[in-house]
Parts: sequence; structure tokens; C-alpha cells
Amino acid sequence: DAGITQSPRYKITETGRQVTLMCHQTWSHSYMFWYRQDLGHGLRLIYYSAAADITDKGEVPDGYVVSRSKTENFPLTLESATRSQTSVYFCATTPDVPNQPQHFGDGTRLSIL
Amino acid sequence: AQTVTQSQPEMSVQEAETVTLSCTYDTSESDYYLFWYKQPPSRQMILVIRQEAYKQQNATENRFSVNFQKAAKSFSLKISDSQLGDAAMYFCAYRMNRDDKIIFGKGTRLHILP
Repeated sequence: DAGITQSPRYKITETGRQVTLMCHQTWSHSYMFWYRQDLGHGLRLIYYSAAADITDKGEVPDGYVVSRSKTENFPLTLESATRSQTSVYFCATTPDVPNQPQHFGDGTRLSIL
Repeated sequence: AQTVTQSQPEMSVQEAETVTLSCTYDTSESDYYLFWYKQPPSRQMILVIRQEAYKQQNATENRFSVNFQKAAKSFSLKISDSQLGDAAMYFCAYRMNRDDKIIFGKGTRLHILP
């Protein structure tokens, strides 16, 4: 089925480890986004990408790295995980039509011990 | 910079009653779009309703309707005949016409009392 697939759904790791969250879309939307969701903060934008090989920082980019070598994939990497990065992470795409909402993946719950 | 404010962190409503969730936003743009998303315990983000700023008529989707006041920059969500399945976190969101980023409020957690 068409949509956004995030993997893994749950991940537990230790501080200092590198972890990569995967995001794959089947629509070929140009724009892709990574958010983190924390209690009291709602959804905060980490990074976004307008097309393959084009990425930009969002509101809270520190400690994260993204890449977009292919339109359909937008992985998010925590190079050296910290406890403050424990969160639920959502990947999203926006159709290339202005009145359309974002489509979200099912989220990854990441716990850093 | 555009901002979206949801002033009610939590609300409760009796089953079958009507509840209104508030949302205000700040923008200097005239062409934009507004959305309400629902996030149940499953964590899925589900679009509830959308409103184009150029439309004066308030959007409705079955039991969900909005009160869009463009001059006041207000976009409240009304849920009629509340059902237990409506219990969720609700996010108000804003998108400019010329930008693909969407700005979210911090959310309102809605409890439905049986």
C-alpha cells in the first residue's frame, strides 16, 4: 500500500551510541520532514528536505544528521545519543499541492538509557 | 514568525455532549491553510478537518466543524455528540500557501467521560 513506513517502531539504546531511524515513502512527494514529539512541546521540526540532496534545519536540529540520496528515503541519525533525545519521532511528507495536509508515519518511540 | 497557540492543554467532555477546542495563530500572510489533527493512543496522526483561509464558509466533516475567524486569527474545533473514540490529543496546524512546512500547536488532550 502507498504511504509512509517508519522503522523501527520501538528502539532502546544507550547514551553515546549511534542510532538511525528510517523513513520510506511510496508517493514520491518532494518534501519530507522529521519531527520529535515530547510532552508539553507538541511536534517540533528537526530537519526537512525539499528534494533529493537538499536538506535544511528545523527548530531543533542539534545532535541529529539527515541525508536524502533518494526521493523516497529520509533517514535520521543520532550520531551520539543523549538521554534528552528520548522521544517519539515522526516522519512526514507533504504533497506538492498547497492545500494538502501532511501525511505522517506511525512514529518511532526511542528510549535512550 | 508564524506561531500556533492552543491554550487548553487538557479538556474533558461528557459523552454525547459538544466540546470546542481553541486555536489561535499569528501570521502576516493572507493565503494559508489550517488543519486539525487527531492523535489517538495508537500515535497515528489523523487529519480531522482542513480550512482554506480564502474560504469564508466554515469547514465541516460529519460531527466535526470549525469556527474560522480570519480577522481574529482564530480556528476552533467543535466536536458534536462526543464519542468515546474521540478521546485523543488534538493538534491545530498552519501551512502557508508558499511554504511546505507546517507549524503545529502544542496540542489539547481531550478526555471523554462515559
